[in-house]
Amino acid sequence: DQQVKQNSPSLSVQEGRISILNCDYTNSMFDYFLWYKKYPAEGPTFLISISSIKDKNEDGRFTVFLNKSAKHLSLHIVPSQPGDSAVYFCAARSGSQGNLIFGKGTKLSVKP
Amino acid sequence: DVKVTQSSRYLVKRTGEKVFLECVQDMDHENMFWYRQDPGLGLRLIYFSYDVKMKEKGDIPEGYSVSREKKERFSLILESASTNQTSMYLCASRALPNTGELFFGEGSRLTVL
Repeated sequence: DQQVKQNSPSLSVQEGRISILNCDYTNSMFDYFLWYKKYPAEGPTFLISISSIKDKNEDGRFTVFLNKSAKHLSLHIVPSQPGDSAVYFCAARSGSQGNLIFGKGTKLSVKP
Repeated sequence: DVKVTQSSRYLVKRTGEKVFLECVQDMDHENMFWYRQDPGLGLRLIYFSYDVKMKEKGDIPEGYSVSREKKERFSLILESASTNQTSMYLCASRALPNTGELFFGEGSRLTVL
């Protein structure tokens, strides 16, 4: 049973507009959430994270929102750029010894 | 910068061959991981190691084994490769205390014919 779900396999956005990538989770014990970005033929790279005690974390063009009551988080990219085209993975951790549980990923395409 | 290096970017092997995938990290991280990535399935954990000589099964360990004789090196072994093991294999390491962040290598694309 999937504990971390990314229900949209793909998303297409125009350059300059906002990209919103969504992630749902089922385990209320998750205490830390991360987003990774992956280009083809490369390893994933860490993008941004949020602790469960916060509801928002911002880093430049990237903002992650956490809604604990809905068990939902989202990644906003504003403005979107063609270089943002990649697969984005949502991941969650349960406790300081916990391993990351990944979603299946969302492929973002930003069109010029 | 943390560097995780995977020995082979691309490999082609035949069914039944023994395959070694090597991973080395240079930041003295205690924890190391092997994942495979397949389209539509995301990242799935094969094995992990919290320290030297230690290993734990992940979600899909069948058909794989691992070795961690030195802290910086974590090897994934396919004793007898099969076509359903054609995949992208990703090694990662993690520092303690655990912030959750994993540092990934560039991946090894294995094709089993």
